[in-house]
Formats: sequence, C-alpha cells, structure tokens
Amino acid sequence: QSALTQPASVSGSPGQSITISCTGTSRDVGGYDFVSWYQQHPGKAPKLIIYDVSDRPSGVSYRFSGSKSDNTASLTISGLQAEDEADYYCSSYTRSSTWVFGGGTKLTVL
Amino acid sequence: EVQLVESGGGLVQPGGSLRLSCAASGFSFSNDAMSWVRQAPGKGLEWVSNISGGGGSTYYADSVRGRFTISRDNSKSTLYLQMNSLRAEDTALYYCAKKPSDAFDLWGQGTMVTVSS
Repeated sequence: QSALTQPASVSGSPGQSITISCTGTSRDVGGYDFVSWYQQHPGKAPKLIIYDVSDRPSGVSYRFSGSKSDNTASLTISGLQAEDEADYYCSSYTRSSTWVFGGGTKLTVL
Repeated sequence: EVQLVESGGGLVQPGGSLRLSCAASGFSFSNDAMSWVRQAPGKGLEWVSNISGGGGSTYYADSVRGRFTISRDNSKSTLYLQMNSLRAEDTALYYCAKKPSDAFDLWGQGTMVTVSS
C-alpha cells in the first residue's frame, strides 16, 4: 500500500492558477474513477473538495477542479486566494479494496 | 448538526491497548460506511480501516491488520477502533470519517494517541 506521489510543495500568486499532481498506478488511480482531494488547514480536520475525480461537493468553490489521465490525477485551483493556503491530499480506491492517500502538498500563496 | 466526535485517545505504553470511539449525529448513521484515518505528527494522512454500514464488511491497512479491529453499534450511532499491540509508529491523531460512497465526506476533529514508555 504505497502512498500516492504528490509534489511536496507548490506556490502561486493571488489570482493565478496552480495544479497539483497525484501519481499512482493501474492498481489505484489508473484503475478507478474514485480519486478524491482534501484540503487541510493547520490544526484543522481535512475537508473534501473533489470526489470521483472531478465532482465538487455542495458548497465547494468552482475554483477547485479535478481531472485524471492514466495513472495521474490533478487538482487545479484557479484564481488563487489567500485562504487557499493549506495542505492538499489526494486519495484513491485500490484493487485491494483499500484506500491510499498521497503524501500531501503544501500550497503557499505568495 | 451533522458531526463526528472522537474520544478515547491518550498515552499508552508499547504493547498496550486502547479503544477509540466516534459518536455520530445529524445523519442516518447505519446508511453509511465509516472509516478511520490517522495522521502522525507533522506527517500526511494514512487510511487505517473501513467498515460497511451494516458492519458485515471490514477492511484494514497492512500496517494495522491483525492488531486493530473496527466495529460499530448502529443503535448508538457509534464507531469504534480497538487497538492492540500498539507500537511507537501508531502514534498519531486518529480521525473518524463518513464514507457514503467513494470519498470521505465528513471528518471529526480527531483524538490523539501517543504510544511511548
């Protein structure tokens, strides 16, 4: 159950767009459309922002979008805002009927 | 209000046991699968275990299989995690999470477990 691979950090200026990648294998990301993304602010619980690769829960800003190509999923945040500064985690269902998270990406808004 | 509240964490010696609880409210608890996810200090999220809505199906991460047992009492809207043979590497903030389908859509605030002599 190896963790999915995410960049340790990304940064962008207010108003810009950034993309966070999440790379797995055909046994997880590439094999199922069950990729989700979570936002975690310091000292807070994670919050679901994308599920089933590209769907947004009610109440989540349209600025958050998700996609997938082969074994890599991506989270794009457009129109960066200061409050977007947080840690972001991807997750995927796996062939073993288990779940796996990525190592997390720290987003800094410059 | 829809919420999950974990309890039962604390300091335990290596080899010891602990039982975590997660009280759910504001939704139909028995309809949804539930999960435990942990986060070691300064580290990322790690999925620990899932249980189906009826409790008949359970799944575990390799790192805890054989030592941890997930269960639920739908009459009490409560999720449990029995942790035995605890190791230093089990030290983490343990979150319970609601998993109605293919994502964890509601999280508690977590309960801290520290394994140390």
